[in-house]
Amino acid sequence: NAGVTQTPKFQVLKTGQSMTLQCAQDMNHEYMSWYRQDPGMGLRLIHYSVGAGITDQGEVPNGYNVSRSTTEDFPLRLLSAAPSQTSVYFCASTIAWGTEAFFGQGTRLTVV
Amino acid sequence: AQSVSQHNHHVILSEAASLELGCNYSYGGTVNLFWYVQYPGQHLQLLLKYFSGDPLVKGIKGFEAEFIKSKFSFNLRKPSVQWSDTAEYFCAVVERNAGNMLTFGGGTRLMVKP
Repeated sequence: NAGVTQTPKFQVLKTGQSMTLQCAQDMNHEYMSWYRQDPGMGLRLIHYSVGAGITDQGEVPNGYNVSRSTTEDFPLRLLSAAPSQTSVYFCASTIAWGTEAFFGQGTRLTVV
Repeated sequence: AQSVSQHNHHVILSEAASLELGCNYSYGGTVNLFWYVQYPGQHLQLLLKYFSGDPLVKGIKGFEAEFIKSKFSFNLRKPSVQWSDTAEYFCAVVERNAGNMLTFGGGTRLMVKP
């Protein structure tokens, strides 16, 4: 059971570079989300999706784009990386509103 | 704005001590409540959850939590901690049927000394 798979696990970017964090789930969950984790701030929601073709902004969406072309995949794009985006990013999937979220292993991103 | 507060940011205990971590939320509607644990270098894993019914919920590894609606609280407890409980603990809340995703507290970092 793969669950939620994120790649890469670690990444270092230079300011201004772009990249895509990949997230895939094999549980046929409709709901997927991206969070960033910063010390003392818990996890903050960046973007989420309630199904293929449908995405919406969370609490901290600026600087990030998402798309959901399939049920399985929910990539997160940084168009022009900034040091403030240095963080640990977690992708999660949920079978239905209000139920438990299953998390990926996380991507530790450093922007220099 | 809806929020989740964890008042203890860092807790240090000796093995066999009892643990209680506080969690309060500000939602006005009916909520589902969760506690997640993150062991060093790992992803978040579900400890326990409350949707309805008995407000005292038992989870994995001997953890339990009590939902007190009048206090908007969902505190996590364990009678006797072990060194292996060293981790960061997150409370999370979602308002039922509101179309929102989970909102997390700031986390509590627990260190258990052997």
